[in-house]
Amino acid sequence: DTGVSQDPRHKITKRGQNVTFRCDPISEHNRLYWYRQTLGQGPEFLTYFQNEAQLEKSRLLSDRFSAERPKGSFSTLEIQRTEQGDSAMYLCASSPQRDTQYFGPGTRLTVL
Amino acid sequence: SQQGEEDPQALSIQEGENATMNCSYKTSINNLQWYRQNSGRGLVHLILIRSNEREKHSGRLRVTLDTSKKSSSLLITASRAADTASYFCATGQMDSNYQLIWGAGTKLIIKP
Repeated sequence: DTGVSQDPRHKITKRGQNVTFRCDPISEHNRLYWYRQTLGQGPEFLTYFQNEAQLEKSRLLSDRFSAERPKGSFSTLEIQRTEQGDSAMYLCASSPQRDTQYFGPGTRLTVL
Repeated sequence: SQQGEEDPQALSIQEGENATMNCSYKTSINNLQWYRQNSGRGLVHLILIRSNEREKHSGRLRVTLDTSKKSSSLLITASRAADTASYFCATGQMDSNYQLIWGAGTKLIIKP
């Protein structure tokens, strides 16, 4: 069990550029979550996958955001036309069932 | 949206003392979880208490849950410098199979 991994750990981009983050969950965890966290705040739910199906998206996930989980394994989160307000830590978590979630180290995005 | 509110927002104590953090929430829950986050890192699950439980222990951690008051407390006994971190409560919702709602966290500093 290698834990949840996220790549990259840090991303600096210019406003208007597209960025893509990857999350590799713990193997055999069928549930995968994306959160966004800003400084001094708790995580905010973005979206949830059960296997390859995206079952819920937060209203925070605007049209510029899209997430996929092909084949129910790794997941990607893409942000198009980034804005300065997108600067945050993007956290991925996985779980085998409804309760405890196991988090990755996060991807810190800075939009200049 | 965040529903949990941790209290206090920040807590600074001497090593060896006990630390108590509180969490209040608004809706009916299935469970309540506490997580720890070291600066700039991912979240680590500490303990889960279900809505039909009133108290739970794990090592130096003691969690209580009062569903009538919609509140929980986390007690860390005999604190250590390594306990310095932010602590978040997260509630598992009754009407959701997946979403955790998070508070803004308590920043705990243990002075050596």
